[in-house]
Order: sequence, then structure tokens, then C-alpha cells
Amino acid sequence: DAGVIQSPRHEVTEMGQEVTLRCKPISGHDYLFWYRQTMMRGLELLIYFNNNVPIDDSGMPEDRFSAKMPNASFSTLKIQPSEPRDSAVYFCASSPVGGASEKLFFGSGTQLSVL
Amino acid sequence: DQQVKQNSPSLSVQEGRISILNCDYTNSMFDYFLWYKKYPAEGPTFLISISSIKDKNEDGRFTVFLNKSAKHLSLHIVPSQPGDSAVYFCAASRGGATNKLIFGTGTLLAVQP
Repeated sequence: DAGVIQSPRHEVTEMGQEVTLRCKPISGHDYLFWYRQTMMRGLELLIYFNNNVPIDDSGMPEDRFSAKMPNASFSTLKIQPSEPRDSAVYFCASSPVGGASEKLFFGSGTQLSVL
Repeated sequence: DQQVKQNSPSLSVQEGRISILNCDYTNSMFDYFLWYKKYPAEGPTFLISISSIKDKNEDGRFTVFLNKSAKHLSLHIVPSQPGDSAVYFCAASRGGATNKLIFGTGTLLAVQP
């Protein structure tokens, strides 16, 4: 089992540029989550999908952020245009059939730096 | 509004001693709580959990205690080992068909040899 795979591991870009983060969840997992980690706010849930359908995007900070899941094995998080305050570590996580007791399996994250 | 709070950003403990990490929550609807551990350059990994119907759950060196009246939980690690040095996140969720977890800000534990 390869686990949750995220790419790229590091992304450095200039303010105003478009950034696309990618995620491949664990095969068979029905839920996919995008989290952002910052010192001030810890791990914040941005959006999550169930069976490729967005369920809750209330954590998406602004219209500059968008996420898609075109199929069960791939998801993207896009920031356009990017700003320095978007600098953070972005994690993708997946989990099997839903329920409050299910734990999440995280990828290694993408370290985003917006200059 | 931070619904799950970890007020200690860092903690330093000697090897072999007990580490106690604390977490407070504000939403009384939370009924399931988890701890995750995160090493540098890696994603968080699940450590231990507890349901609100219990007040204690133990797994080897790790024990989680839940005090519902105080809306407080703690993670005890005994004895602490240098390999336990990591960031520990507390998380909470509400029951139902979703596993939307709300995380705290994390506590960096350093276990000194």
C-alpha cells in the first residue's frame, strides 16, 4: 500500500501565480480531505469529498481557492492568484467508509511558499 | 474560532519520565476524540482515540483521559522515549456519517535523552 501520495513536495512561486497541488488517495477510500497547516491555526480543514463529490467546502478561505476530484484516484487543490499569506503546508488525507470513528491517513504534504 | 485548543506550543521531558499533553474543546457536541503524531516532513499519523462514552483508553505506553464536564482531554506517555519527540495534534469530531475532524494547533514534544 503506497499510502496517500501528494505532489509536489515543495512549491515556491511568486505572488499572483497559479498553484496546483495534487493528491492520490489510498485505493478504496471513499473520503478525501484537504487540510492546511499553519503555526497560528494548526491543521485547518479546507474541503472534503465523499465518493468524488464535494461535501463541505466551508473551510476554503476565499474564492481564490478551488478543489476538484474528477475521479476516485485523483484530486487537485488550486490557488489562483496566490498570495504570500497562502504559504503553509497543505495536506491531503483519505479515509474509508465514513463514521466518526474512522481515522484519517495523511500524505506527506506540500510545502508552499509564495514570495 | 478555535473549537479545539492546545495551549502549550511545546513541552520538554526527560527520557523515562511521563509526558502529559493537554487539549481543551468548546463544542459539547463533540463525541469522539483522537490524537495524531507528526514527525518533520511527514504527514500526521493516528496514535490513539477515545469515545465520549469512556473516560480512559490505553494502548501500551499511551493513555488518553477524557473529562467531559471540563471539556478536557489529555495524552499521557509513560515512559517517554526520544523517538516520541514529535508534534502531537488533538482532534475532535461529532457523531454521524461524517468523519470531519477538527484539529488543534499542536504541541511539540521534545524528549531529552
